Amino acid sequence: DGGITQSPKYLFRKEGQNVTLSCEQNLNHDAMYWYRQDPGQGLRLIYYSQIVNDFQKGDIAEGYSVSREKKESFPLTVTSAQKNPTAFYLCASSKTVTSYNEQFFGPGTRLTVL
Amino acid sequence: QKEVEQDPGPLSVPEGAIVSLNCTYSNSAFQYFMWYRQYSRKGPELLMYTYSSGNKEDGRFTAQVDKSSKYISLFIRDSQPSDSATYLCAMSASFGQGAQKLVFGQGTRLTINP
Repeated sequence: DGGITQSPKYLFRKEGQNVTLSCEQNLNHDAMYWYRQDPGQGLRLIYYSQIVNDFQKGDIAEGYSVSREKKESFPLTVTSAQKNPTAFYLCASSKTVTSYNEQFFGPGTRLTVL
Repeated sequence: QKEVEQDPGPLSVPEGAIVSLNCTYSNSAFQYFMWYRQYSRKGPELLMYTYSSGNKEDGRFTAQVDKSSKYISLFIRDSQPSDSATYLCAMSASFGQGAQKLVFGQGTRLTINP
């Protein structure tokens, strides 16, 4: 089955810790994205990547970092610099980031700061 | 003012009713208009997309875009309890080097009562 997997489903972090959220896709898509979803605010773009070893900041990149060493993988690190990290994190992919292409979403990771 | 405005609801209707969901937007550069459905604790899935103005129908779902009024709608006919979900509108515009960016509304939580 082709799709996007995210792990873990639930993640708890203590203040001051960095945590890494996993995102893997087997759709052979070039582009991958990370969004954050908060109640009443829809989805906001954190980072996106058009191709391996390249990524760009989205609207709310502060306190986050990413890497794209493989086409299939786009992990997101939530650093201690992110002041309010409790949220639902969604990874997505599309064939390319230029022109319109459907973005497919993973099941999400719910991060809670204790 | 947000680029995309969507009434978060919640909206509750009886089974079989016609549901109307709406979004307004301010950026005239938006070219593609999408509706996503998101079940609780899941990732969004694309329901329909429309390019520019006009109507598009898919089974019980109809999407309308009025670019002159900067207003989009999703109609659900013969609504079913399985349609209970959060519906997100999204729009795309270029953001440098030909790349497309999705801007999401806040989402409307819909409940269909048997």
